[in-house]
Amino acid sequence: ILNVEQSPQSLHVQEGDSTNFTCSFPSSNFYALHWYRWETAKSPEALFVMTLNGDEKKKGRISATLNTKEGYSYLYIKGSQPEDSATYLCAFNGPGNQFYFGTGTSLTVIP
Amino acid sequence: NAGVMQNPRHLVRRRGQEARLRCSPMKGHSHVYWYRQLPEEGLKFMVYLQKENIIDESGMPKERFSAEFPKEGPSILRIQQVVRGDSAAYFCASSLPMTAGGIAKNIQYFGAGTRLSVL
Repeated sequence: ILNVEQSPQSLHVQEGDSTNFTCSFPSSNFYALHWYRWETAKSPEALFVMTLNGDEKKKGRISATLNTKEGYSYLYIKGSQPEDSATYLCAFNGPGNQFYFGTGTSLTVIP
Repeated sequence: NAGVMQNPRHLVRRRGQEARLRCSPMKGHSHVYWYRQLPEEGLKFMVYLQKENIIDESGMPKERFSAEFPKEGPSILRIQQVVRGDSAAYFCASSLPMTAGGIAKNIQYFGAGTRLSVL
């Protein structure tokens, strides 16, 4: 079982603040890194799939970077809004199509 | 995540009974994953199946748990002789297979989960 770690575990920010959090994963046997957004009482929804070292993805105010050599990915949210409040999960995707999820970063944006 | 159907949404069982959780993947998806979320914990991989095939069951408890994905019909996660520690949310996800070129198109689409409570 692989170790995928996310930090911080939880985060409270004021509306309008920008924030970022980290996903750490093994740097060997890497195939892809997935980010998911999980709102309370809903299902996780895919944000990004990243495969190449140095990848940067962006969707609106949310962006992510990937460093496969050192085994980390950052998720950034610019100008946080209350609707951004959710748990953000990353998942390490190995070559056998296994997925290993981190425990998530719970983000609360205070109006 | 539209299209992945899990039922029931809530399931209550007494200790020793059997629990059957169903997952119908999105149309065209041939890969199914089951995850368990224990209280205050993250998603833990249990099993990965293709039609009529278990690909990886390294996350499944060795006893009482089984999974199948028949040629026709939904994937079933079966828990025999449930115990209180089995109380959790069980999520199913489905995906397309990776492309022949190996590009990761295997985004997972999740169902709404089944919350199992063992009394």
